[in-house]
Amino acid sequence: AAGVIQSPRHLIKEKRETATLKCYPIPRHDTVYWYQQGPGQDPQFLISFYEKMQSDKGSIPDRFSAQQFSDYHSELNMSSLELGDSALYFCASSLRASGETQYFGPGTRLLVL
Amino acid sequence: SQKIEQNSEALNIQEGKTATLTCNYTNYSPAYLQWYRQDPGRGPVFLLLIRENEKEKRKERLKVTFDTTLKQSLFHITASQPADSATYLCALGYGNKLVFGAGTILRVKS
Repeated sequence: AAGVIQSPRHLIKEKRETATLKCYPIPRHDTVYWYQQGPGQDPQFLISFYEKMQSDKGSIPDRFSAQQFSDYHSELNMSSLELGDSALYFCASSLRASGETQYFGPGTRLLVL
Repeated sequence: SQKIEQNSEALNIQEGKTATLTCNYTNYSPAYLQWYRQDPGRGPVFLLLIRENEKEKRKERLKVTFDTTLKQSLFHITASQPADSATYLCALGYGNKLVFGAGTILRVKS
């Protein structure tokens, strides 16, 4: 079965640079979530979208923005990167009508130098 | 303050035994609770969901209980295998939003 696809899988950036992470949800899923997981930490919810509209917002810094496009893929844009932004970024998707189970992608590992 | 606590120490058990992982929470009233498995460097994988009006759910060798009075969920893996070794995360659910605990590392030794 198709899973959530994230790209790139690894990304190295310098401080103050920008980064764009992409997420392709499972086909027919209408909801996308973004999480940040620091080393040894639990995943922290950043933001979610349902039918291309922002549905929930968590601890997402003002330097980050995200959107969901007409084909349901989502992008997380991160600007003015800081060392502390180094983490695993997970995207998850779900089909709202089917319930609350979220299916996670493999993650993007971001390293800010 | 709101808190989700899972076994802070790694849980080491012998193959074939039952592993029991604990998830306690304070100052939350989740509508449901989920358990996920996470292997190093990989995304969490959904295992089980239990709703606030359910006491117990089972799936193959997995069992989860949910006590909203005690504010606790227990996650059991029976007949554990070395392949069950991973980090197990509990997540409290509100609508479509999840709040994760820090996870418990389970090591099953053969």
